[in-house]
Amino acid sequence: DAGVTQSPTHLIKTRGQQVTLRCSPKSGHDTVSWYQQALGQGPQFIFQYYEEEERQRGNFPDRFSGHQFPNYSSELNVNALLLGDSALYLCASSLESGGGDYGYTFGSGTRLTVV
Amino acid sequence: GENVEQHPSTLSVQEGDSAVIKCTYSDSASNYFPWYKQELGKGPQLIIDIRSNVGEKKDQRIAVTLNKTAKHFSLHITETQPEDSAVYFCAASIRGSQGNLIFGKGTKLSVKP
Repeated sequence: DAGVTQSPTHLIKTRGQQVTLRCSPKSGHDTVSWYQQALGQGPQFIFQYYEEEERQRGNFPDRFSGHQFPNYSSELNVNALLLGDSALYLCASSLESGGGDYGYTFGSGTRLTVV
Repeated sequence: GENVEQHPSTLSVQEGDSAVIKCTYSDSASNYFPWYKQELGKGPQLIIDIRSNVGEKKDQRIAVTLNKTAKHFSLHITETQPEDSAVYFCAASIRGSQGNLIFGKGTKLSVKP
C-alpha cells in the first residue's frame, strides 16, 4: 500500500522563478494538505484541498497556490520565489469521512532551495 | 490564533531510560493533539494522538497525557532504544479546522547506547 508520494525530492530554483511541486495521496485518501517546514522548525500549514477546492488556508501570501485533481493528487505552485521560500514542503493526506483532521499521513517532502 | 510551545528543544538520554517531552497550547478550543516523529530525510510520522475527551492514552512504550485545565500535554517514552532517536513534534488543532495543525518547534531526542 503506497503512502504519500511527493516529487521531486530536491529542487534548486533562482529568485523570481516559479515552481510546481506534486503530491499523490495515500491510497484511499481524498484530502490533501500542504505544509512548509523551515530548517529547525515545525511544519506550518499552507492550505488544504478537498473535492478539488481549497477550503482552508494558513498565513501564506497569494504567491502560494494549489490545485487538486479528480484522482485526488495535488500540486503546490509558488510564484516569484524569494530566498525565504527555501524549505521542506510536505504534503499530508487524510480521509474526510474518517474524520478529516485525524490520522494525517505525510510524505517525505520536497526540499526547495532558492538561490 | 493557536500557539504551541514545546520543551525541551534537545533531550539526551541513556538507552533504557525514560524521556518526557512537554507542550502547552493557548487556544482552549483545541481538541486534538497528535505527536509526530521525524527521522532525517523523512516526513513526520504519526506515533500517537489524543482527543480532548481523554486524559491519557498508551501504546506499548509510548504514552500521552493531557491536562485541559492547564492546557498542556506530554509525551512519555519508556525503555528508550537507539532507534527512538529522532525529532519529535507535538501539534494541536480544533476539530473541523480542515488541516490547520499547529506544530511545536520540535524536540531532538538522542538515545545513547
